[in-house]
Amino acid sequence: QITLKESGPTLVTPTQTLTLTCTFSGFSLTSSGEAVGWIRQPPGKALEWLSHIYWSDDKRYSPSLKNRLTITKDTSKNQVFLTMTDMDPLDTATYYCVHRPTIKGAFDVWGRGTMVTVSS
Amino acid sequence: DIVMSQSPDSLSVSLGERVSINCKSSQSVFSTSTSRNDLGWYQQKPGQPPKLLIYWASTREFGVPDRFSGSGSGTDFTLTISSLQAEDVAVYYCQQYYGAVPTFGQGTKVEIK
Repeated sequence: QITLKESGPTLVTPTQTLTLTCTFSGFSLTSSGEAVGWIRQPPGKALEWLSHIYWSDDKRYSPSLKNRLTITKDTSKNQVFLTMTDMDPLDTATYYCVHRPTIKGAFDVWGRGTMVTVSS
Repeated sequence: DIVMSQSPDSLSVSLGERVSINCKSSQSVFSTSTSRNDLGWYQQKPGQPPKLLIYWASTREFGVPDRFSGSGSGTDFTLTISSLQAEDVAVYYCQQYYGAVPTFGQGTKVEIK
């Protein structure tokens, strides 16, 4: 059974850097075809894909946020990290960690999400 | 980026009735290399993360009831709930993963009449 869990601060001040951690189990990010990503959802709004990282360490970013995002992994700890610089109140959202197997293409397992509020 | 547009934005349907949600992409999401449409459908209930229902436009995820089905190809897709149940009240999203940037539709809210 695949599970993912997000962790990180619930409140950040504007201009700060956000670092989120996704801790997962049930698969290995060293196995071919595996990927982990991040998707966010502002309150009452639709879903927005941010980034994902493949087993090969290939990385993809949302073009609109590319300059602010960095995704990395620690396969020994089954963790994926997302940093987002220069946080703004518009970045207030629930951030989800997701599993994306290339055999499906879609995001087949989601974490519960972590709500991040950006406010001074 | 590929823009995904869903219709309607919301609908109210009686229990047991059929529900159809449409999704249109700004360009084809059919992959000639795999002969598949790179299109998924998700269900999001209040206070919960989205749940994958359908991938490759028509393949039902394991454990998803067979009253949910996906159809379509190219740029036009449909999610159908054959007989609406109370537990199906949710927002439904389509998503393409053909382009380098995965994108979602704006969502369709399904309620009970």
